[in-house]
Amino acid sequence: KAGVTQTPRYLIKTRGQQVTLSCSPISGHRSVSWYQQTPGQGLQFLFEYFSETQRNKGNFPGRFSGRQFSNSRSEMNVSTLELGDSALYLCASSSNGVTGELFFGEGSRLTVL
Amino acid sequence: SQQGEEDPQALSIQEGENATMNCSYKTSINNLQWYRQNSGRGLVHLILIRSNEREKHSGRLRVTLDTSKKSSSLLITASRAADTASYFCATDEIQGAQKLVFGQGTRLTINP
Repeated sequence: KAGVTQTPRYLIKTRGQQVTLSCSPISGHRSVSWYQQTPGQGLQFLFEYFSETQRNKGNFPGRFSGRQFSNSRSEMNVSTLELGDSALYLCASSSNGVTGELFFGEGSRLTVL
Repeated sequence: SQQGEEDPQALSIQEGENATMNCSYKTSINNLQWYRQNSGRGLVHLILIRSNEREKHSGRLRVTLDTSKKSSSLLITASRAADTASYFCATDEIQGAQKLVFGQGTRLTINP
């Protein structure tokens, strides 16, 4: 069974730009959650999607958004990038919910200049 | 906000020794999980312990949970160089949004 796939793995953007990150979950997993990891704040929950619906949301500004498609693939978008958005963005999938065992992708490393 | 706080923040031991990491949390939980992360990569699930369990084993891993003290420990026995990684505890609160909240992690280094 293929694992969670995140693309791109690395990207560099400048302030004010926007970025879209993609996540393909493990086949059959309907829950996809996103986390931001930074040295200062650690792992912070962004949001979770289940069957194309956002079920849970963390405490991030509206510049952070996401969506899930009918095949469970998910994207997250960050608009009007700020320097502080530089982070490792991790996607995780699970079969039944966000509080059970999560299967993580390798992450997308975003650098904002 | 962080639910779990790990202690120590960093730990360096010799190969073959045992490593113990601790996690404390603030609110009542359904279960507690431990994850490992190799440098800059994704997290890997190690073990899940439910709130009504006190101890759980998986290979060289032993996890304990004390809900009265709101704390957990992860013991890695007979450590290997490949165990070098960061270890995170994660909890889900009984009340509040359905999400896993991760601690800041313990950076474990195994010296050959």
